[in-house]
Amino acid sequence: AQRVTQPEKLLSVFKGAPVELKCNYSYSGSPELFWYVQYSRQRLQLLLRHISRESIKGFTADLNKGETSFHLKKPFAQEEDSAMYYCALVDNYGQNFVFGPGTRLSVLP
Amino acid sequence: SQTIHQWPATLVQPVGSPLSLECTVEGTSNPNLYWYRQAAGRGLQLLFYSVGIGQISSEVPQNLSASRPQDRQFILSSKKLLLSDSGFYLCAYRDTRNSPLHFGNGTRLTVT
Repeated sequence: AQRVTQPEKLLSVFKGAPVELKCNYSYSGSPELFWYVQYSRQRLQLLLRHISRESIKGFTADLNKGETSFHLKKPFAQEEDSAMYYCALVDNYGQNFVFGPGTRLSVLP
Repeated sequence: SQTIHQWPATLVQPVGSPLSLECTVEGTSNPNLYWYRQAAGRGLQLLFYSVGIGQISSEVPQNLSASRPQDRQFILSSKKLLLSDSGFYLCAYRDTRNSPLHFGNGTRLTVT
């Protein structure tokens, strides 16, 4: 069965510091991985996906199949990055979308 | 353009009462539809998903059921609510195999 883990429930960093939100997955096929973000009082929205291989709001994430990881990184955190971040995986058929438990990022001034 | 509507935004229901949450999608055909429950510390729990009219996959056995009476309508129901059904329920859709999930605003359900 598919599973996504995010070991940190809460991550606090100071403004300007690097950020890494960890995500590991288990899936026997070739998954598609996503990062979703939920800012205060806003709906859950897509941040980035591994097939796009792009940087959004300064964030990047690389799929490491050997380590089954898809960690989210940003070199210099900003206060507006404070939000709840969810890592997600969809199966080969594009149907079963599974999310991790989420990490709350708090960027301190 | 595509939009997703979910209602009501908040709902307070007594234990043992029925439940019906509705979700509709506009601007696309034959989307995959999803119901999630969001709980603090547990993240997003997939409850049901549907790849077509009348086709429902249940991920977690529980007191809830889902139905898809029309292509772009997805309903979450219960015959008798339990206290443990309280939570934040999110509807989402995916319009093509390669697109991401798009979420509604959610429904905050409180069972008293």
